[in-house]
Amino acid sequence: TQLLEQSPQFLSIQEGENLTVYCNSSSVFSSLQWYRQEPGEGPVLLVTVVTGGEVKKLKRLTFQFGDARKDSSLHITAAQPGDTGLYLCAGGQGKIIFGKGTRLHILP
Amino acid sequence: DTAVSQTPKYLVTQMGNDKSIKCEQNLGHDTMYWYKQDSKKFLKIMFSYNNKELIINETVPNRFSPKSPDKAHLNLHINSLELGDSAVYFCASSQGSQDTEAFFGQGTRLTVV
Repeated sequence: TQLLEQSPQFLSIQEGENLTVYCNSSSVFSSLQWYRQEPGEGPVLLVTVVTGGEVKKLKRLTFQFGDARKDSSLHITAAQPGDTGLYLCAGGQGKIIFGKGTRLHILP
Repeated sequence: DTAVSQTPKYLVTQMGNDKSIKCEQNLGHDTMYWYKQDSKKFLKIMFSYNNKELIINETVPNRFSPKSPDKAHLNLHINSLELGDSAVYFCASSQGSQDTEAFFGQGTRLTVV
């Protein structure tokens, strides 16, 4: 069974700080996705990483796929209150499975 | 133009009732899903349909019955509702059954009292 473990579960930091959240698995994934979910909404796809070692940037967000394609990280530079939300990693073939998410709260 | 729309957004009902949630996608995708998100925000897949055919049926009580009249629609009917069915139910779609980039609806918050 493919499982995705995310850490930390909760993170509350001040505006302007940097942070990294992690998504780990013992299984190899052909690709991993990161989603952000805001209260009362469905998850929204942010990025897909496909190649081992791949780095993708989305403004202040940097996503990395591990060389062995078993893990991924999301780094946010100079966090802003608008970054607050639930960040979910997902992957799988034939069945999209999700990690339990990191709940991020940016304090103004 | 909403890509994946589900109705209703909120549903409050008594134990033992039967209810349905509807979902439609206008993205032209072949695959649709139902997910359940519990109070701890864990998203768990329930069902997946590809071109109207059931391809994934996780360990879900048979009180839950999905129906896909065409590839743009996937409805979820729940019989004999129980307190533990209270959750947010999300419909999603993706291009194909091997595609993991999914587009989600806004969710239906089901509360069983």
